[in-house]
Amino acid sequence: TQLLEQSPQFLSIQEGENLTVYCNSSSVFSSLQWYRQEPGEGPVLLVTVVTGGEVKKLKRLTFQFGDARKDSSLHITAAQPGDTGLYLCAGGDSSYKLIFGSGTRLLVRP
Amino acid sequence: DSGVTQTPKHLITATGQRVTLRCSPRSGDLSVYWYQQSLDQGLQFLIQYYNGEERAKGNILERFSAQQFPDLHSELNLSSLELGDSALYFCASSPASGVLYNEQFFGPGTRLTVL
Repeated sequence: TQLLEQSPQFLSIQEGENLTVYCNSSSVFSSLQWYRQEPGEGPVLLVTVVTGGEVKKLKRLTFQFGDARKDSSLHITAAQPGDTGLYLCAGGDSSYKLIFGSGTRLLVRP
Repeated sequence: DSGVTQTPKHLITATGQRVTLRCSPRSGDLSVYWYQQSLDQGLQFLIQYYNGEERAKGNILERFSAQQFPDLHSELNLSSLELGDSALYFCASSPASGVLYNEQFFGPGTRLTVL
């Protein structure tokens, strides 16, 4: 059974601080996606990484896919209250399904 | 706006009843996925359809069923509803082809409350 473990589960930080969220698995994925979900709304796709070692930047967010394609990280620089939400990683394989992590709840305090 | 639409936005019903949730995928996407998300829980994959055919099943109860129609919209039917079925139900669509074949785009969800 493929599992994705995210850490930390909860993170409460002050505006302006940096943070990193981790997504780990013992399985290899063909792609990995990061989503952000706000309460009562659907997850919004932030980025997809497909190549081992790939790094993608989206403004203050930096996403990295591990060399072995088993893990990923999301780094936020100078967090803002608007970054508050549930961050979900999801791994894809050839079955067309996505395996979702349990999520990291981020609260950025003004 | 992801381009995926879901109706209704909210649904309140009683135990034992049956409801139908509807989803229209993004233009051009052939694959539709259904997920359940209970309070403070992760996304639980229910079922996937590709171009009208069932492709994968997750933790879907026998009381639940789904189908995808020729115009690619999908419906999730929930019957003999129980209190524990109260949750957010999301539909997602994906192109199911190309390098980014399993990128999924989520709709706004249907909040189901069973009283």
